[in-house]
Amino acid sequence: SQQGEEDPQALSIQEGENATMNCSYKTSINNLQWYRQNSGRGLVHLILIRSNEREKHSGRLRVTLDTSKKSSSLLITASRAADTASYFCATAREGGTSYGKLTFGQGTILTVHP
Amino acid sequence: DVKVTQSSRYLVKRTGEKVFLECVQDMDHENMFWYRQDPGLGLRLIYFSYDVKMKEKGDIPEGYSVSREKKERFSLILESASTNQTSMYLCASSLISNEKLFFGSGTQLSVL
Repeated sequence: SQQGEEDPQALSIQEGENATMNCSYKTSINNLQWYRQNSGRGLVHLILIRSNEREKHSGRLRVTLDTSKKSSSLLITASRAADTASYFCATAREGGTSYGKLTFGQGTILTVHP
Repeated sequence: DVKVTQSSRYLVKRTGEKVFLECVQDMDHENMFWYRQDPGLGLRLIYFSYDVKMKEKGDIPEGYSVSREKKERFSLILESASTNQTSMYLCASSLISNEKLFFGSGTQLSVL
């Protein structure tokens, strides 16, 4: 199975509600990142959290990282219809032959209804 | 505004053709990447480059080659296109190899 796996695969909420997506991984990491992709377009970097950090905020985004459980969550507060997109976690494994490689999960499709 | 530009948004090729996908970045980044994205499989790394003329295989390099003759340009080459290479191809660049990738808009390649 993949290094980064998001849960749920799809999430449907109303505007104004909070959206929480989870990511699990298997090996030790250097950092974990979240990206967003609008339909049929490229990915946009949202936030990066390092292995020695537990929580990070950026605007309406809050990311947590639990290295003991090898998991991360992305919380989008007060969601808007414009937040409708696919969200991917990506892990950067520690050193060695993994240098330079980011491994992406399969993504969570978020739909925010007006 | 930072930019990664992929030469084609949509491309249709025939089986056996040689295909070039071009990617240009204007951020003076050392690192450039080619991914393919397929439904249910997510993004998979094909090749990456950390310097001019340097390349490293990703997770699925078979059937592909790359070229990086100038810092700003990273080309993906399909020597003999096959139908299983029909996919969305995404180019990316970064200042630090495994941090904050900037992606192009993607090329949807169909091999018939």
